[in-house]
Amino acid sequence: GDSVTQMEGPVTLSEEAFLTINCTYTATGYPSLFWYVQYPGEGLQLLLKATKADDKGSNKGFEATYRKETTSFHLEKGSVQVSDSAVYFCALSGWVTFGIGTKLQVIP
Amino acid sequence: DTEVTQTPKHLVMGMTNKKSLKCEQHMGHRAMYWYKQKAKKPPELMFVYSYEKLSINESVPSRFSPECPNSSLLNLHLHALQPEDSALYLCASSPPGRGEKLFFGSGTQLSVL
Repeated sequence: GDSVTQMEGPVTLSEEAFLTINCTYTATGYPSLFWYVQYPGEGLQLLLKATKADDKGSNKGFEATYRKETTSFHLEKGSVQVSDSAVYFCALSGWVTFGIGTKLQVIP
Repeated sequence: DTEVTQTPKHLVMGMTNKKSLKCEQHMGHRAMYWYKQKAKKPPELMFVYSYEKLSINESVPSRFSPECPNSSLLNLHLHALQPEDSALYLCASSPPGRGEKLFFGSGTQLSVL
């Protein structure tokens, strides 16, 4: 079945550091790929998405590229801020397949 | 209006109580979902409604009973819950289609005593 493998956290970074959160997937067909973010006490919000191979999703300084050859969708940001502290979930299209979530803590 | 509104935000109930969670959206989405999220875990799908009809039930115990009275409302009726049912219950909606993004509510934090 479809699955998502996401790096375990927590990830602790200093402000302005570079962020990478790894995500790989296994799926039949050509799924859309998503990154959702969950701030404390809230539901999930879509951060970015990509619908086909080589697409790059971007939002709020975050980027991820849909790599079919490596079945990956790694999340990156060049300079993190304290306000980016949250849990990040990689997900496949459909409603079921989320990664385990990676908690990011950014310290001043 | 791009919000999914869930009420109540917090709920404490005993194992013999009956309570309901409510979810509302006015984005015209015809797919609505209930998820259960335990601490430090991803959301787990419970139910999917498509065009007000239950289309997916992920083998959820019958003490959870979903209801979709109309295209904007989704309820989750709770009865005789167990302490292990304590979790954050998230509602989501989306346009129809597997490639569409989900819009989540803020959730109801449920504690079963």
